[in-house]
Amino acid sequence: EAGVTQFPSHSVIEKGQTVTLRCDPISGHDNLYWYRRVMGKEIKFLLHFVKESKQDESGMPNNRFLAERTGGTYSTLKVQPAELEDSGVYFCASSQAAGRAEAFFGQGTRLTVV
Amino acid sequence: GNSVTQMEGPVTLSEEAFLTINCTYTATGYPSLFWYVQYPGEGLQLLLKATKADDKGSNKGFEATYRKETTSFHLEKGSVQVSDSAVYFCALSGLPGGTSYGKLTFGQGTILTVHP
Repeated sequence: EAGVTQFPSHSVIEKGQTVTLRCDPISGHDNLYWYRRVMGKEIKFLLHFVKESKQDESGMPNNRFLAERTGGTYSTLKVQPAELEDSGVYFCASSQAAGRAEAFFGQGTRLTVV
Repeated sequence: GNSVTQMEGPVTLSEEAFLTINCTYTATGYPSLFWYVQYPGEGLQLLLKATKADDKGSNKGFEATYRKETTSFHLEKGSVQVSDSAVYFCALSGLPGGTSYGKLTFGQGTILTVHP
């Protein structure tokens, strides 16, 4: 069974540009989460999808971040326009439905804004 | 709100040494507790978990016991190997049915380096 896959693995962009991160969850996992780790600090929750619906987006930093999950399959996280403080590692995780707490993580996307 | 505090690293040990990484938490009720590990170049992997007080999670020689009285979930291993070198994250998840269920709150991570 394929695990959670994230694209790209690394991205370096200039301040003001747009970047789109993609996450393909494990097939059949209705729950999809985005997290971010900035500069060696703790990993922080960004948002949670159940199928295509946003269950909780309380962790989204501001309106420069837009997450979508059309059709309840893969998800994208767009940052527009990117700022220096957006640099970090963005993790995606997925879990089965029915409230299972165990989540499976992707390798992460390292975003560097210069 | 929920929070997790881990001992600051980095931790450097010789092979076969005893490991302890401290983790304490703040949460209402009885959250589920986890240790995740990130090996170099890889994603986060669940190492072990405990879902109720006094439960002991174990895997790959690592153990952690859910201590409600001290709100702790310290990670231990009796004899570390070079291959255990990684970043270790303590995390909690809220109660079933609650708004934070499934949403993980992480500590800041502890870098472990094991030398031969």
